[in-house]
Amino acid sequence: EAQVTQNPRYLITVTGKKLTVTCSQNMNHEYMSWYRQDPGLGLRQIYYSMNVEVTDKGDVPEGYKVSRKEKRNFPLILESPSPNQTSLYFCASSKQGSLDTQYFGPGTRLTVL
Amino acid sequence: AQKITQTQPGMFVQEKEAVTLDCTYDTSDQSYGLFWYKQPSSGEMIFLIYQGSYDEQNATEGRYSLNFQKARKSANLVISASQLGDSAMYFCAMREGNTGKLIFGQGTTLQVKP
Repeated sequence: EAQVTQNPRYLITVTGKKLTVTCSQNMNHEYMSWYRQDPGLGLRQIYYSMNVEVTDKGDVPEGYKVSRKEKRNFPLILESPSPNQTSLYFCASSKQGSLDTQYFGPGTRLTVL
Repeated sequence: AQKITQTQPGMFVQEKEAVTLDCTYDTSDQSYGLFWYKQPSSGEMIFLIYQGSYDEQNATEGRYSLNFQKARKSANLVISASQLGDSAMYFCAMREGNTGKLIFGQGTTLQVKP
């Protein structure tokens, strides 16, 4: 089944404790992206990747890191999480970085205490 | 700057009736893509339908159709024969060509009444 998977789905952590949210797709998509969704602010792009080893900042990259060593994986790293990073995070992928449909993972609900 | 506007924060529809969710957009690009996503209370983001700016026909996917009026810059979603499972938040989005970023509207909450 073609899909985007994220782990963990739910996470409660404390300020400053490094964490990684994994994202994997099995559709051989070139383009991958991370969004966060917050009430009143909608969905905002954090980082994106047009292909392996190519990543770039989105609208809200502060406090996040990403890497794209393999085509299928695009982990989101929070080196020192803070409470303002409490959010619902989505990973998405598409064939290419132009106008193709982006398919979303199931989301990760992160709470930073 | 590109922008998506959804002016209906919430809507009700009777089961089995049709409903239209409004979306207007603003862009100076000639080539762009418009999307609708559904977000049920469980939180996942489900792709529903896509319309390309050069597509001459309105997109349809089962009970979903997109009423695309390019001159008016509108891309309304029409759901026919509403079902209880259609109750969810619906987002209109536009794909930015340079970065591939999706720009989302604020969403419309749809409640289907039995």
